[in-house]
Amino acid sequence: DTAVSQTPKYLVTQMGNDKSIKCEQNLGHDTMYWYKQDSKKFLKIMFSYNNKELIINETVPNRFSPKSPDKAHLNLHINSLELGDSAVYFCASSQGLAGQTQYFGPGTRLLVL
Amino acid sequence: GEDVEQSLFLSVREGDSSVINCTYTDSSSTYLYWYKQEPGAGLQLLTYIFSNMDMKQDQRLTVLLNKKDKHLSLRIADTQTGDSAIYFCAESNSGYALNFGKGTSLLVTP
Repeated sequence: DTAVSQTPKYLVTQMGNDKSIKCEQNLGHDTMYWYKQDSKKFLKIMFSYNNKELIINETVPNRFSPKSPDKAHLNLHINSLELGDSAVYFCASSQGLAGQTQYFGPGTRLLVL
Repeated sequence: GEDVEQSLFLSVREGDSSVINCTYTDSSSTYLYWYKQEPGAGLQLLTYIFSNMDMKQDQRLTVLLNKKDKHLSLRIADTQTGDSAIYFCAESNSGYALNFGKGTSLLVTP
C-alpha cells in the first residue's frame, strides 16, 4: 500500500557508469517531482512533470534525463556518473500544481565511487 | 531563488516543548509546510498551513504563521525521544516545486 515508491533504495556504482532510478505512485496524482538531497541535507528540486509533460527543469546537468512513461511513473536516468552525483534522490507526487501537498518516496541513496 | 532559513540545531529535554523557527522571503508563498526526516528515512509531511491562516493545531503540533514578518514556527508539545529528527520548513507559491530550508536537527535528550 506504499503511496510513492522508489527503486532501488541503495545504489553503489563506479564513476562513468549509467544508471536509472525508478519512481511509481499509486495515489492517482498527476504531478511528479525529483529532488536531490546533498550530504548537508539540503533539498533542491531537479525536475517536475505534470501529466507526463516536463514543467520544471532546474539547472541540472544534461547527464540527468527524466522520463515519464505515464502519470504514475517518473524515472531518472543518469549518464556518465560523477563523484558529485552522490546524494539521496527523492521522488514526490502531488495532485495538481501550484502549492498542492507533495508526498515523498523513501529516497534512493546513490554513492558514486 | 527565494530563501527559506532555519536554525540548524535544537536540543531539548524529553517532556519539554520544542519550537523550531523558519523565515522565508517570498511574500507570494501560499502554502507553508513542515516535513520530518528521521535518520536514513524519507520525508514525512507533518503539517501545513495556508497563508491566510495564522495558526493551526494538530494534536501535539502547533504551527504559527506571521505573514507580515514572514516567520513560521512549529511547536511540539511534550517532546519525546522519537521526535528526534530533522525538520524541514518548505514554502510553495504559484510555482510547482517546494522550496526547502536546510533543516533543523532536533535532539531530544532523556
